[in-house]
Amino acid sequence: NAGVTQTPKFRILKIGQSMTLQCTQDMNHNYMYWYRQDPGMGLKLIYYSVGAGITDKGEVPNGYNVSRSTTEDFPLRLELAAPSQTSVYFCASSYMESGQPQHFGDGTRLSIL
Amino acid sequence: ILNVEQSPQSLHVQEGDSTNFTCSFPSSNFYALHWYRWETAKSPEALFVMTLNGDEKKKGRISATLNTKEGYSYLYIKGSQPEDSATYLCAFKGNRDDKIIFGKGTRLHILP
Repeated sequence: NAGVTQTPKFRILKIGQSMTLQCTQDMNHNYMYWYRQDPGMGLKLIYYSVGAGITDKGEVPNGYNVSRSTTEDFPLRLELAAPSQTSVYFCASSYMESGQPQHFGDGTRLSIL
Repeated sequence: ILNVEQSPQSLHVQEGDSTNFTCSFPSSNFYALHWYRWETAKSPEALFVMTLNGDEKKKGRISATLNTKEGYSYLYIKGSQPEDSATYLCAFKGNRDDKIIFGKGTRLHILP
């Protein structure tokens, strides 16, 4: 099993550009999450999904969109990149709900210039 | 907004010494508490999932205890080794349908 795979690992965007961060998992987990990690701030939940076709906002959803058309994939979209979105983004998945641990991808380091 | 506090923020420990740190969470409702180990330039890895008051979990030299009545969990590391250097995160869930909330972590540095 590959676990949780995120692509790309690094990206530099200009202000106003858009991009999609890809996340896929092969563990048949129904719960998937997107977090951002800012220095000294820990992990902040952006969006999460409890199953295909269902998504919900987390703590910091503004400026992002997600979709969950399949169990495996949970892409995160930035429509109009802003410098405040410079961060490291982590995708995670878990089986059922949070009684089970989350499995994290390796992260995507995104810089908006 | 629920607060999940971890203390201390940062900790320097001599190799071979034992150490512990704390995760505090609201005691009003409890569903689960997770501990994760997060090495620099890697992704967080689950250490323990704790669901019952009084739970004690152990993995090698690392162990954790849980007190849901008073709202805290301790993580202990016995005989610290250089490979224990990492950030240790706790994550709390108050109810089954709540979102999980991460603390900011305790950054552990093991000194040779």
